[in-house]
Amino acid sequence: AQKITQTQPGMFVQEKEAVTLDCTYDTSDQSYGLFWYKQPSSGEMIFLIYQGSYDEQNATEGRYSLNFQKARKSANLVISASQLGDSAMYFCAMREAGNMLTFGGGTRLMVKP
Amino acid sequence: GAGVSQTPSNKVTEKGKYVELRCDPISGHTALYWYRQSLGQGPEFLIYFQGTGAADDSGLPNDRFFAVRPEGSVSTLKIQRTERGDSAVYLCASSGGGRPEAFFGQGTRLTVV
Repeated sequence: AQKITQTQPGMFVQEKEAVTLDCTYDTSDQSYGLFWYKQPSSGEMIFLIYQGSYDEQNATEGRYSLNFQKARKSANLVISASQLGDSAMYFCAMREAGNMLTFGGGTRLMVKP
Repeated sequence: GAGVSQTPSNKVTEKGKYVELRCDPISGHTALYWYRQSLGQGPEFLIYFQGTGAADDSGLPNDRFFAVRPEGSVSTLKIQRTERGDSAVYLCASSGGGRPEAFFGQGTRLTVV
């Protein structure tokens, strides 16, 4: 089974609107971390936001928030007030006990002016 | 340095040749990771170092791939007898300082012709 599943290969959003990128995960560990990274066309992987499995509050970082639903094993990224510069690939990732990150297949977000 | 540095940024080599890819992590980061990213996919884990030792090399695809980190900072990924299927972007990341996220370098684009 896939450890990280991102079901949206591509998404469009109108500039200034909010968008949700889906991520579901599969683990039997009690302690794990969930991450979102942005990869623009330049290729660099930019860390956006982190959620620990024991964190009770949803993580927020500026315009990014993580909608963490532990029972459903989902960790959706919400981007508010989309900007043209948000157009990029977005990857959800998980760290379990082994310490390395396992990535999903990514979602390409395109922001329309 | 301020960020993770990878050299070279691009490498073209002939099938069957040997290549070395270098990663200089963020100063003080004890954890170092190598990933491989094929076009349109998420990064795939190769190997993880904690200090000088390889804590997990389960992602190395075969014995043509080897990585070292002799002094616990700079790491070199070595690929022997390169094949066209090895063509990909090789990403290095490091983490430490009590923070959960890994910081990525710009990657080395390897093309085997």
